[in-house]
Amino acid sequence: DAGVIQSPRHEVTEMGQEVTLRCKPISGHDYLFWYRQTMMRGLELLIYFNNNVPIDDSGMPEDRFSAKMPNASFSTLKIQPSEPRDSAVYFCASSFVSPKNIQYFGAGTRLSVL
Amino acid sequence: SQQGEEDPQALSIQEGENATMNCSYKTSINNLQWYRQNSGRGLVHLILIRSNEREKHSGRLRVTLDTSKKSSSLLITASRAADTASYFCATDYSGGGADGLTFGKGTHLIIQP
Repeated sequence: DAGVIQSPRHEVTEMGQEVTLRCKPISGHDYLFWYRQTMMRGLELLIYFNNNVPIDDSGMPEDRFSAKMPNASFSTLKIQPSEPRDSAVYFCASSFVSPKNIQYFGAGTRLSVL
Repeated sequence: SQQGEEDPQALSIQEGENATMNCSYKTSINNLQWYRQNSGRGLVHLILIRSNEREKHSGRLRVTLDTSKKSSSLLITASRAADTASYFCATDYSGGGADGLTFGKGTHLIIQP
């Protein structure tokens, strides 16, 4: 398996624009996580899914953020409208059987909002 | 916060020396994991230690867990330049509440050639 695949790797956009980040989890994994990493706050869990159903979205910072998982092999994280403070590295991770098991991370998307 | 806290925040040593990083946490856990993050990459799982284990080895890695002190340490022996990375501990919590893992802010390790 190719591991967790995220796209794009880098995204530069202007304030107010819509941003969509994409993730393909490892085949067979039933948990998918979205994290945000910044120097100030470290790695924060935004939302996670189990079998395509959102389980905990308490980490989603504002209504500007939304996430979907239409099927077992694809998820999106959307920010609309984007703001400079959203600049961060966004990671997708997946795990098998339990959210407390080993998590496998993608390479991340570095987002810069100007 | 129920985050694990790594200590030190940054560590610089000479190649060949041993590197020790510590993690403290606040409540009872089922297991504790260590991850490595190379610059510009995602986190990679290194080792998992369960709450009923005291020590675990994997290659040049040695992890200890002291549940009475709510702390863990990661020892990397005979360090190499390729070990330069950030290291994170991740805890799950056995008392219900938040599911998943909670990551600390990491120790940034630099191995000087």
